Amino acid sequence: DQQVKQNSPSLSVQEGRISILNCDYTNSMFDYFLWYKKYPAEGPTFLISISSIKDKNEDGRFTVFLNKSAKHLSLHIVPSQPGDSAVYFCAATNQAGTALIFGKGTTLSVSS
Amino acid sequence: KAGVTQTPRYLIKTRGQQVTLSCSPISGHRSVSWYQQTPGQGLQFLFEYFSETQRNKGNFPGRFSGRQFSNSRSEMNVSTLELGDSALYLCASSLSGTIYNEQFFGPGTRLTVL
Repeated sequence: DQQVKQNSPSLSVQEGRISILNCDYTNSMFDYFLWYKKYPAEGPTFLISISSIKDKNEDGRFTVFLNKSAKHLSLHIVPSQPGDSAVYFCAATNQAGTALIFGKGTTLSVSS
Repeated sequence: KAGVTQTPRYLIKTRGQQVTLSCSPISGHRSVSWYQQTPGQGLQFLFEYFSETQRNKGNFPGRFSGRQFSNSRSEMNVSTLELGDSALYLCASSLSGTIYNEQFFGPGTRLTVL
């Protein structure tokens, strides 16, 4: 059973607009969440994270929002750029904090 | 600083064979984790090693095993290969292994089982 779910396999956005990637989780014990970006033929790279004690974290064009009551988080990219086209993975820590539980990913395509 | 390296990058095996994949972490990193990526299941955690000890294990059969050496390099072994083992195998290293230390991923080994 998927504990971290990314229900949209793909998302297409125009350059300059906002991209919103969504993620839901089922385990209320998760307390740290991360987003990774992956280009073809490369390993995932860390993008941004958020602790459960916060509801928002910003880093430049990237903002992650956490709604603990809904067990939902989202990644906002503003403005979107063609170089943002990649697969985005949402992840959460396991209780020991030594493993990442990933969603299946959302492929973002930003067109110019 | 060199990144995480994985060898080989590509591998083709037949059913029933075994395979060993290698991962060299970033210098100074003591934790190595392994993940399997398939189109249907996404990225799934296999196991994590810290200072030569397996600290955490995902939900994979015993055919999947690993080890870590004193220099933190890690190997993953899959015995009696099945078609469903075809996947991209990623390793990630971090300083101490808790998720609060960022994990750095290697490029992966693409395993094809025929």
